[in-house]
Amino acid sequence: DAGVIQSPRHEVTEMGQEVTLRCKPISGHDYLFWYRQTMMRGLELLIYFNNNVPIDDSGMPEDRFSAKMPNASFSTLKIQPSEPRDSAVYFCASSPPGTKETQYFGPGTRLLVL
Amino acid sequence: SQQGEEDPQALSIQEGENATMNCSYKTSINNLQWYRQNSGRGLVHLILIRSNEREKHSGRLRVTLDTSKKSSSLLITASRAADTASYFCATTGTGTALIFGKGTTLSVSS
Repeated sequence: DAGVIQSPRHEVTEMGQEVTLRCKPISGHDYLFWYRQTMMRGLELLIYFNNNVPIDDSGMPEDRFSAKMPNASFSTLKIQPSEPRDSAVYFCASSPPGTKETQYFGPGTRLLVL
Repeated sequence: SQQGEEDPQALSIQEGENATMNCSYKTSINNLQWYRQNSGRGLVHLILIRSNEREKHSGRLRVTLDTSKKSSSLLITASRAADTASYFCATTGTGTALIFGKGTTLSVSS
């Protein structure tokens, strides 16, 4: 079975540009999470969805960040405009129905904003 | 905000030795989990222990939970070079999603 799929794996962009990160959760999972990982702040939960509905977006740092989940098999995290401090590894994770406890992580997108 | 704090931040051992990592947390939890992250990869779930459990085993892993002290430990026995990774504890409370600590970096040399 395919795990969580993220694209792109690496992204280098210039400050001010729009960045879109994509995630395909494991089929049948109904929770989807977006995390950001940096050396300074560790792993931070940005937002999570249940059945495509955003449940908690309190971790989204600013209005420059937005996330959508138009259907059960696809989610995007958008940063517009991007800034150098957004440089991090962004992970998507999903969980099976009925539990958000055990999460399955994707390989991450390494974002560098110059 | 981070809930779990792992200790030590870094640990270096020889193959065959045991590795012990600790995690402390601040508020009441429903369960506590340990994850492993190999360099450049996503996190992999290792083991979950519920708040009413005190000890759990999975292969070479042993996890303990002391809710009175708000702490947990992860023991890896007979470590191997392939165990080299960062290890994170994560907690779940009522109405909350996982909150991760900053991790312990384990290095196992052959």
